This record gives sequence, structure tokens and C-alpha cells, in this order.
Amino acid sequence: DAKTTQPNSMESNEEEPVHLPCNHSTISGTDYIHWYRQLPSQGPEYVIHGLTSNVNNRMASLAIAEDRKSSTLILHRATLRDAAVYYCILRNNDMRFGAGTRLTVKP
Amino acid sequence: DTAVSQTPKYLVTQMGNDKSIKCEQNLGHDTMYWYKQDSKKFLKIMFSYNNKELIINETVPNRFSPKSPDKAHLNLHINSLELGDSAVYFCASSKVLGQLNTGELFFGEGSRLTVL
Repeated sequence: DAKTTQPNSMESNEEEPVHLPCNHSTISGTDYIHWYRQLPSQGPEYVIHGLTSNVNNRMASLAIAEDRKSSTLILHRATLRDAAVYYCILRNNDMRFGAGTRLTVKP
Repeated sequence: DTAVSQTPKYLVTQMGNDKSIKCEQNLGHDTMYWYKQDSKKFLKIMFSYNNKELIINETVPNRFSPKSPDKAHLNLHINSLELGDSAVYFCASSKVLGQLNTGELFFGEGSRLTVL
């Protein structure tokens, strides 16, 4: 079973920031927090991951709570191409996906 | 070059047939996976191999048999296909980092299996 909880869906306006939350209250010390997204009719693609510190890359930022029981994926300026299902996963010798958050981006 | 490639991309077959889906990765990764995504879009892990050795085997019917001839390939063979096997099957690979398998996953484009 997935160890993370995410909202089923979220909406955003184009060119606005999006904050996608994820709860992982049973996280263990060696679990990495991974985020993936799946665009329509494609395989999931890696977005970002972190362990304790906040992380930035060209796609997004990952903010990790101090107790590591939650995290937030931040898309700084949503585009129509960011419409996808976003998955938050705890990674430790395992890779089980939950239902994810379906992000809709409105023009 | 495609990092993780699956063939075929589409497969339509009759109930009771046996079929295989092939997967190859050219990333030099140690671990490969098969996932099933059903019509409700839930992505479920089926198998995981590390250096040709099975390390994850979820509750999957015995009709499903993965085969890893080398660490760059992980094929999925399905016997006696049933209607409920209709789904998109994704292959993925990752690199083992240290003692923990925490590297990011690279997915193939998926193989859509339709059982009639």
C-alpha cells in the first residue's frame, strides 16, 4: 500500500504558482521523497527528490517539512503542459505509487 | 536514444493466448521493474529485479512470469490471458545508490494490452 496521501485533484491558472501537498506521516529515516508526474498517454517521469533539505531543479522545487512528515512540490509558473497526475512516493528499496493528484491548468 | 524501451507498444489478443512484452534499458541501471496501470489509472508494482535477481514479487497471478536474461533486459510473459489483464504495462529502471535502492525511476512509454 502507498504510504503517502495526496489530494485527488487540484486546479491552477496558467502562469501562476502551484503548490502540490503530500502527507507521509509514517516516513522512516532512510526514505527519500520522490515526485513523479504522468502526462496523458505517457509513462511517469521523474520530477524531483529529496531527503531532508529543500531542493530545486529546472522543473520544480521541493519543500520538505522539518519533521519530514509532509512535503510540497512547487511549480513556480504553471503551464498548460504541466497538466498531469503528480505522484509523491517514499523511496527506500521500494517504489509503490498512490493515486496521485490530477493537476488541471486553466488558460 | 530511448533510455527505456518497450515492445510492442500495442497488443490486442484473445483470451487464453500467451503473450510477451519486452523491455530494454541502455542506462546501465542495476534494477528493473514492471508496473501495471489499469483502467482506473492506479499504478501498481508487479515485479522488481536487481542484477537479474527477483527482489520484489507482488501478489501477481502465476500466469505472469518475468524473465531477466541480463541486467539490461526484463521481459514479461503472460500465460492464459484473461479479460482483467487488459491494462497498460510500464517497464522502469533505476540505479542502486549505496546500500539503498533510492535512485530515480526511468519509465518506458508503456505497452497497452487489450484482451478480447
